[in-house]
Amino acid sequence: EDQVTQSPEALRLQEGESSSLNCSYTVSGLRGLFWYRQDPGKGPEFLFTLYSAGEEKEKERLKATLTKKESFLHITAPKPEDSATYLCAVQVPGSARQLTFGSGTQLTVLP
Amino acid sequence: NAGVTQTPKFQVLKTGQSMTLQCAQDMNHNSMYWYRQDPGMGLRLIYYSASEGTTDKGEVPNGYNVSRLNKREFSLRLESAAPSQTSVYFCASIPGRGGNEKLFFGSGTQLSVL
Repeated sequence: EDQVTQSPEALRLQEGESSSLNCSYTVSGLRGLFWYRQDPGKGPEFLFTLYSAGEEKEKERLKATLTKKESFLHITAPKPEDSATYLCAVQVPGSARQLTFGSGTQLTVLP
Repeated sequence: NAGVTQTPKFQVLKTGQSMTLQCAQDMNHNSMYWYRQDPGMGLRLIYYSASEGTTDKGEVPNGYNVSRLNKREFSLRLESAAPSQTSVYFCASIPGRGGNEKLFFGSGTQLSVL
C-alpha cells in the first residue's frame, strides 16, 4: 500500500530561523511528488512537482529536494507570512488520476 | 479570475438529511475532483471526473454520489448524511485528463453532521 508520512506534524520557528520539513514515501514506483501550501480556511495551493531523485526546485525562500525515499522542503530565513500547512503528495504509475497525500506539517513562524 | 468556486462554505446537517455540494470552475479544465480532509489525515479522493459525462470512484466513495453536469460543474451529493461524513470537502480541477498536472483547489466546504 502506498504511504506518505510527513514530519514533524507541527513546527514553530523564529523569523529567520531556517529549517526543513520531511516527506517520506513508500510507493511502488514514483511518477511525481507534489508540494502544496495550505492557509487556514483555504484550499491547497501548488508549490512544486519533482519527478526524479536528485531533482531540486526553488521558489523564493523555499527549496524542494527529492531522493528515492523522501523529499525535503527547506525553508531559508522564513518570515511570518510563510506560516501555513505544507502538504506533500505522490503519484504512482497506474494511478494517473489519484494522488496520495500526507497529513501535512503545520509551520508557524514567529516574528 | 474566480478559478474553482464551491458552495456553500459552511453547512450543518442532522443525521439522515441530504444535501448537494456545488463546484464550478471557469478555467475550461477537463478533470474535476472531490476530496475530503479530516484532522490528522491527508486529503482523500472521493470521486473524480476525467471528462464531461464520466465519473469514477476514488479512495472513499461510500455514502456519496456525484454528477458532472457539464464541463464547468461537478456536484457531490450526500443522500443520507452520517456523523462520519463531518469533514472539510474540497473540489479541484486540472486542465487535462490525468497525469502529472497540478491541482487547482476551491476554498472548501466545512460540513458538520450532528
